[in-house]
Amino acid sequence: QSVLTQPPSVSGAPGQRVTISCTGSSSNIGAGYDVHWYQQLPGTAPKLLIYVNSNRPSGVPDRFSGSKSGTSASLAISGLQAEDEADYYCQSYDSSLSGDVVFGGGTKLTVL
Amino acid sequence: EVQLVESGGGLVQPGGSLRLSCAVSGFNVTSHYMRWVRQAPGKGLEWVSIIYSGGSTNYADSVKGRFTISRHTSQNTVFLQMNRLRVDDTAVYYCAKEMCSRSSCYADSWGQGTLVTVSS
Repeated sequence: QSVLTQPPSVSGAPGQRVTISCTGSSSNIGAGYDVHWYQQLPGTAPKLLIYVNSNRPSGVPDRFSGSKSGTSASLAISGLQAEDEADYYCQSYDSSLSGDVVFGGGTKLTVL
Repeated sequence: EVQLVESGGGLVQPGGSLRLSCAVSGFNVTSHYMRWVRQAPGKGLEWVSIIYSGGSTNYADSVKGRFTISRHTSQNTVFLQMNRLRVDDTAVYYCAKEMCSRSSCYADSWGQGTLVTVSS
């Protein structure tokens, strides 16, 4: 059971908009810790997609956007494309654990 | 250009040891936090260990006392010594370079990963 909760799967048709939620608690997202998102294409290493809640690294299309509110965060993908089919993970920090970072369980995006 | 290249994975019996390496180019390993993250087959991401720029370290509870992270400055390489390996340590191990915001850190560059299989 992951500390951050994501839906196991989402899907959408090309051109549509989808959102992926990341729900935490008062010891992580709700405590004000930033949320970051990674995209993992099939058979490849994760890649940073969104950092510090809503910032895109150079080269990431503006179709990808992130937001955070309360104890949750969301990743939105608009103008869905076939190459967006991947696993998406959120990550934050949790003050209640002996470690530091925590990941969501991941969401598989299927482009119909 | 930033590059991270892991090596050292392979098949090992339960109770055995392996040492993973992460050779870095494009930056100095002493100037950034460096983290190991693993992914068991078909599963999500799990952080394993981190070495801070000052040299202190931290470990996930699941590996504490069995794994040791270190770095070699002149080789610009980060290592993960894994002892007393268990079947549930089977995973692809990724090395990552960390950047930090005011409240948390994130991995802005990743290696390609190296597969560790623990099986008899």
